Amino acid sequence: GDSVTQMEGPVTLSEEACLTINCTYTATGYPSLFWYVQYPGEGLQLLLKATKADDKGSNKGFEATYRKETTSFHLEKGSVQVSDSAVYFCALDTGRRALTFGSGTRLQVQP
Amino acid sequence: DAMVIQNPRYQVTQFGKPVTLSCSQTLNHNVMYWYQQKSSQAPKLLFHYYDKDFNNEADTPDNFQSRRPNTSFCFLDIRSPGLGDAAMYLCATSSDLRDRGRTYEQYFGPGTRLTVT
Repeated sequence: GDSVTQMEGPVTLSEEACLTINCTYTATGYPSLFWYVQYPGEGLQLLLKATKADDKGSNKGFEATYRKETTSFHLEKGSVQVSDSAVYFCALDTGRRALTFGSGTRLQVQP
Repeated sequence: DAMVIQNPRYQVTQFGKPVTLSCSQTLNHNVMYWYQQKSSQAPKLLFHYYDKDFNNEADTPDNFQSRRPNTSFCFLDIRSPGLGDAAMYLCATSSDLRDRGRTYEQYFGPGTRLTVT
């Protein structure tokens, strides 16, 4: 079945450090890929998405590239801020109308 | 602003006492979802409505039911809450237009945190 694997957290960084959160997937067909962010006590917000191979999603300084050859969709940001502290979920959609989520990666950014 | 609204944000219920959580949306989306999220875990899909058609996940306990009286509203009913049902419940919506290559982008509400005493 479909699955998403994310690196375990927490990831602790200093402000202005570079961020990479790894995400790999297993799916039949050609899924759409997403990154969602969840701030403490809140619901999930769509951060970025990519719908086909080699697409790059970007938003708020975050980027992720859909790599079909490595079945990956790693999240990157060049300079993190304290306000980026949250849990990040990688997810895929294969057209079943249901998202398959990874287990989430908590990011803690220290001043 | 178009959005997904969940009420209440925090709900406390007693063991075995039925409870209803509500979700409304102003996006006019035809698909609505209910997820359960326990601490430090990924959201787990309980069921979804495609228009008026109810789609239950195979492993969703019978204790969980849902109603969708119209496009805008959807309710989650827990008939006899147990301590293990304490969680964040997330409502989400999406617009399924059956377009080829459609991305089922889901929009989430802020969630209702359920405590069972």
